[in-house]
Amino acid sequence: GENVEQHPSTLSVQEGDSAVIKCTYSDSASNYFPWYKQELGKRPQLIIDIRSNVGEKKDQRIAVTLNKTAKHFSLHITETQPEDSAVYFCAASPDSGNTPLVFGKGTRLSVIA
Amino acid sequence: KAGVTQTPRYLIKTRGQQVTLSCSPISGHRSVSWYQQTPGQGLQFLFEYFSETQRNKGNFPGRFSGRQFSNSRSEMNVSTLELGDSALYLCASSLGQGDQYFGPGTRLTVL
Repeated sequence: GENVEQHPSTLSVQEGDSAVIKCTYSDSASNYFPWYKQELGKRPQLIIDIRSNVGEKKDQRIAVTLNKTAKHFSLHITETQPEDSAVYFCAASPDSGNTPLVFGKGTRLSVIA
Repeated sequence: KAGVTQTPRYLIKTRGQQVTLSCSPISGHRSVSWYQQTPGQGLQFLFEYFSETQRNKGNFPGRFSGRQFSNSRSEMNVSTLELGDSALYLCASSLGQGDQYFGPGTRLTVL
C-alpha cells in the first residue's frame, strides 16, 4: 500500500521568509495530492491540492509542486505570516474513488514575528 | 451548506468500557472516513463508509468498528477501551474520494 513520508517534522521561520515542506510517496498509482492545515485545537482544512496531470499549482502565497518521476511533492509558502503557524499534513491517493488518502505525519510550522 | 459535525466533542471513559461516536457529513456527501489522531502519529485511517458499506479499512484491531446509515450519518464504536485509545477521532466526508472535509473531532480520554 501507499506510504507517505513528510519532512521536516518541525520548521521555524522568520516572518516574511519562505517555508518549504516536502513529502515522498511510494505508490506510483497515486495521482491526487492534497495539503491540509490544522491550527491548534481546530480541524484539518484543505488548503491546496494537485493532481498528476499538472506539475505546479499556485494560490496566492501557497504553491505545490509535484515530481511524479521522483515521487515527491512539496508545499511552498512565501512571505510567511504569524497566522501561517499550524501543523501541515500532506496526503496521497489514487484518485480512483476507491482508495483512501494516506497522510504524512505532519509538519509543525512556527512563524516567528 | 452546514459543515461536518461530530458528537460528542469530549468524552471521558475508563478502561474496559465501550464508546460510540457520531458523525454527520455535509449534505449530499456519501463517503465518511474516520481517523485517529495522536501526537506524533499524524492521521491514521480507521475505515471508510460509502453508501452504507464499508469500502476501506485501516490496520486497527477489531475493537474498532463502524457503520453508516441511509442518511449517510456514521457511527464509530470502540469496545473494551484501552489507555492507548485516548486520541482525537476525526471524521471526514466527501462526495466519493478526493477532497475531504473534516469535522471538529471527538476528544476521547481513557482513564
